[in-house]
Amino acid sequence: AAGVIQSPRHLIKEKRETATLKCYPIPRHDTVYWYQQGPGQDPQFLISFYEKMQSDKGSIPDRFSAQQFSDYHSELNMSSLELGDSALYFCASSPRDRGLGGYTFGSGTRLTVV
Amino acid sequence: KQEVTQIPAALSVPEGENLVLNCSFTDSAIYNLQWFRQDPGKGLTSLLLIQSSQREQTSGRLNASLDKSSGRSTLYIAASQPGDSATYLCAVSGWGDDKIIFGKGTRLHILP
Repeated sequence: AAGVIQSPRHLIKEKRETATLKCYPIPRHDTVYWYQQGPGQDPQFLISFYEKMQSDKGSIPDRFSAQQFSDYHSELNMSSLELGDSALYFCASSPRDRGLGGYTFGSGTRLTVV
Repeated sequence: KQEVTQIPAALSVPEGENLVLNCSFTDSAIYNLQWFRQDPGKGLTSLLLIQSSQREQTSGRLNASLDKSSGRSTLYIAASQPGDSATYLCAVSGWGDDKIIFGKGTRLHILP
């Protein structure tokens, strides 16, 4: 079965650079979520999109932005990177009716800022 | 604000034992609760999803229960195996709320 696809798997950037993370949800899942997991931490919610519109916002820095496209894939854009942005970034998708299957997470993008 | 707590934070048990992981949440008005497994540096694998109207779900050697009124869930693992070693995360979502809130997880180590 198709899963949530994230790219790239690993990314190394220097401070103050920009990074773009991509997420391709499970087919027919119309809601996408982004989470950040720092070393030894639990995943923290950043932002979510439903039908290409932002539906909820968590602890996402102003330096980050995200969008969902017409094919439902989503991109997380991170600018002016800081050392503290080094983390695993997960994307998840779900149908709008979460009772139909809950959340499915991708394998994540490991971002290292040096 | 919903808070999710998992006890214990870490657990080591000999292979073959049955074990229980605990999860509690402060706001009982949840939509569903999901248990995940995470291997070091890897993604989150969904184990079991329990809707708010359900009491338990089973998958193989795993059984998850939900007592919404008391704000508790347990994950029971039968006949543990070394391959079960991982971090187990409990997460809840609320009504009309997209995001899920994670606990900090229980790091499980099964001793061969």
